Amino acid sequence: QKEVEQDPGPLSVPEGAIVSLNCTYSNSAFQYFMWYRQYSRKGPELLMYTYSSGNKEDGRFTAQVDKSSKYISLFIRDSQPSDSATYLCAIFKAAGNKLTFGGGTRVLVKP
Amino acid sequence: DTGVSQDPRHKITKRGQNVTFRCDPISEHNRLYWYRQTLGQGPEFLTYFQNEAQLEKSRLLSDRFSAERPKGSFSTLEIQRTEQGDSAMYLCASSFSPGKSNTDTQYFGPGTRLTVL
Repeated sequence: QKEVEQDPGPLSVPEGAIVSLNCTYSNSAFQYFMWYRQYSRKGPELLMYTYSSGNKEDGRFTAQVDKSSKYISLFIRDSQPSDSATYLCAIFKAAGNKLTFGGGTRVLVKP
Repeated sequence: DTGVSQDPRHKITKRGQNVTFRCDPISEHNRLYWYRQTLGQGPEFLTYFQNEAQLEKSRLLSDRFSAERPKGSFSTLEIQRTEQGDSAMYLCASSFSPGKSNTDTQYFGPGTRLTVL
């Protein structure tokens, strides 16, 4: 079993819809949670970073963490075709230095 | 552009050849990471430097792989006797983390795509 699981998609939504992405993780030592966006043939780009349970909002993006369920989510409001990309969750242990990534979810926003 | 840069962006080589990739981190970032990403998968950690010291290596990093960061600035990743299974995107990331801080925001470069024929 992978330490971080993520549905690979693709997730196809019409423009303007809410995109809902999630990851589950198995190791309770994970304490810091990140979402990266990766366009085709590019490096991952950091979107959001959080370390506590609850919600964190940044513009159209909301990250949600539920440590009791080991479940993290990313919501994208008013989705645009430019949001079409692969979204990667990444988790960081306090005692270590490497990021552990999920497999990524491919999102397609259709105009 | 002050982001992480990687060179080359693409490399095609024949099986058995050696290849070397370079990463230039964001200026003054003391940590540098190498990851490998295959198609449809998330990046997997390979190794990590704090300044010039290589502090952690993944089991994925076989003895054919070697990484250096000689002056604590740029880094190189060399793969000797390449195999078809080495075909992947090699990503470099850097971060600034003072002292023993537990937080680490990593910024990624565009990657080097390796194809081994």
